Amino acid sequence: DQQVKQNSPSLSVQEGRISILNCDYTNSMFDYFLWYKKYPAEGPTFLISISSIKDKNEDGRFTVFLNKSAKHLSLHIVPSQPGDSAVYFCAALQETSGSRLTFGEGTQLTVNP
Amino acid sequence: DTGVSQNPRHKITKRGQNVTFRCDPISEHNRLYWYRQTLGQGPEFLTYFQNEAQLEKSRLLSDRFSAERPKGSFSTLEIQRTEQGDSAMYLCASSSWAGQHEQYFGPGTRLTVT
Repeated sequence: DQQVKQNSPSLSVQEGRISILNCDYTNSMFDYFLWYKKYPAEGPTFLISISSIKDKNEDGRFTVFLNKSAKHLSLHIVPSQPGDSAVYFCAALQETSGSRLTFGEGTQLTVNP
Repeated sequence: DTGVSQNPRHKITKRGQNVTFRCDPISEHNRLYWYRQTLGQGPEFLTYFQNEAQLEKSRLLSDRFSAERPKGSFSTLEIQRTEQGDSAMYLCASSSWAGQHEQYFGPGTRLTVT
């Protein structure tokens, strides 16, 4: 069963605009949600996380929003830069089920100059 | 802090051969994880260690797979009698006890089984 889903395989935005990446989950017991960025031939790089007790976390150009009632989170990147072009993964963790991260399928973001 | 390192970066092997991968975590991290990623998918959890103890294993980890972390530092992942379906990127990550929900990944080992 796919507990974390990213329904958009790709997203294209113009430089300077906002990028919004979405993620849905089914397991209401998840405690933390994380976003990772991945360039080709590299491992995923941690970007930002949010606890399930919060609804927003901000770090520079990156903001993550969590809507627990909808089981939905999103990553906002403002302003988008060409260097942000990468695959973005949403991941979730349930502390009572160990430390495994459950990942979505990823969204390829392309920021056009 | 040099980050998580993995060796080799690429491995091509013939079906039926055994392969071993190595992961060196961030030095102060006591948790180490192995994931597998196939094309178009997100990483899938395989197993994790806290210090030298292997605390959790996924059902994906068949009996042909074995992982060790003998001194609580580096870890090895061995695949015996490789199959074409084992072709994937094998990722290692580490985390500290304090920041356990943030896992830091290495560059991965790309395995191709011919």
